[in-house]
Amino acid sequence: RKEVEQDPGPFNVPEGATVAFNCTYSNSASQSFFWYRQDCRKEPKLLMSVYSSGNEDGRFTAQLNRASQYISLLIRDSKLSDSATYLCVVNINYKLSFGAGTTVTVRA
Amino acid sequence: NAGVTQTPKFQVLKTGQSMTLQCAQDMNHNSMYWYRQDPGMGLRLIYYSASEGTTDKGEVPNGYNVSRLNKREFSLRLESAAPSQTSVYFCASSESGGVNEQFFGPGTRLTVL
Repeated sequence: RKEVEQDPGPFNVPEGATVAFNCTYSNSASQSFFWYRQDCRKEPKLLMSVYSSGNEDGRFTAQLNRASQYISLLIRDSKLSDSATYLCVVNINYKLSFGAGTTVTVRA
Repeated sequence: NAGVTQTPKFQVLKTGQSMTLQCAQDMNHNSMYWYRQDPGMGLRLIYYSASEGTTDKGEVPNGYNVSRLNKREFSLRLESAAPSQTSVYFCASSESGGVNEQFFGPGTRLTVL
């Protein structure tokens, strides 16, 4: 079983829509959690860290459910520039494990 | 401030050839990493260096070697390239292990024929 699993999508949404997706992780000892964004043929970049209490960064909201071992990301008022692959990342023993990514395409 | 740089950007090798991928960071980070990314697989850790002078195996180390030349530079060597090593290779760095944000280089696209 992969340590981090994501729905690969693609999620194809119109501008202005809300889109949400989850990832699950298998190791209950995971210490910290992140969402990275990767544009086509580019390197991953940190989008946001995920805190136990949930956190927002502008139009992006991340939630962590330790009991069920999943992390979610919600994007409100989608923009064309939000089109990317979103990587769920889990810190296990000071090393990062990456999900394969969820692809989001925002159409005009 | 260049961040993390990698050379080369693209490379084509024949089976059995060797090559070294170079990585350098100018952020004074302690930890450096090498990943490979394959379709549908996510990034997989090949080797990492928690601090200058140390290196450790990651998830997929077979067929690779690394050198932490100094605090700035971390190289990845393929001694005898195989088609299964066709991939995109990313170098990353962070202040210290896993708890901090990792900054990635632009990647090296390697094809082994």
